[in-house]
Amino acid sequence: AQSVTQLDSHVSVSEGTPVLLRCNYSSSYSPSLFWYVQHPNKGLQLLLKYTSAATLVKGINGFEAEFKKSETSFHLTKPSAHMSDAAEYFCVVSGFTGFQKLVFGTGTRLLVSP
Amino acid sequence: ETGVTQTPRHLVMGMTNKKSLKCEQHLGHNAMYWYKQSAKKPLELMFVYNFKEQTENNSVPSRFSPECPNSSHLFLHLHTLQPEDSALYLCASSQAGQANQPQHFGDGTRLSIL
Repeated sequence: AQSVTQLDSHVSVSEGTPVLLRCNYSSSYSPSLFWYVQHPNKGLQLLLKYTSAATLVKGINGFEAEFKKSETSFHLTKPSAHMSDAAEYFCVVSGFTGFQKLVFGTGTRLLVSP
Repeated sequence: ETGVTQTPRHLVMGMTNKKSLKCEQHLGHNAMYWYKQSAKKPLELMFVYNFKEQTENNSVPSRFSPECPNSSHLFLHLHTLQPEDSALYLCASSQAGQANQPQHFGDGTRLSIL
């Protein structure tokens, strides 16, 4: 079975400071991992994906994530937060059992203060 | 613009009403999904269609009835709903048969049951 754990339900940062959103996964085989962002009253937007190519993955809006197999982690980072980054972020592991099944974390709400 | 369009964006209905949610994707995908997003709960997969065939019904009550007339359109027919069915309903699409391809989400329909 696959699972993801997002270690923080809320993260607060000041504008211009680094962002770190933590995610640990469990998978019995080499996983496909995604980070999605959800702004208020919107759907989920793909930030980036890991599919066993490079372990450091660059996404949109300056976000990146590093896949660490030894730590079973896939943390999301950004060097400098912007007010528009305030949203909910979901770490997701993908599997396939006759159809693609996404397993979502419970989400981390990022708050950005001026 | 995500390439996945959901209508209506908001819906208020009584428990005895019948209504339908619509989803249309313009991405050339052949798999479509319905999810339910409730407050403080992870996203719940409801239904999966691959090449217009239903491949997953995740123990969803029969008051929710999906329909997929072609690979670009997906409906969710609603009748005799309960207050606990109030939630954001998200539609997604992807390429069928591939765990490493991301799903693309619409902006959802916010459903409120009176």
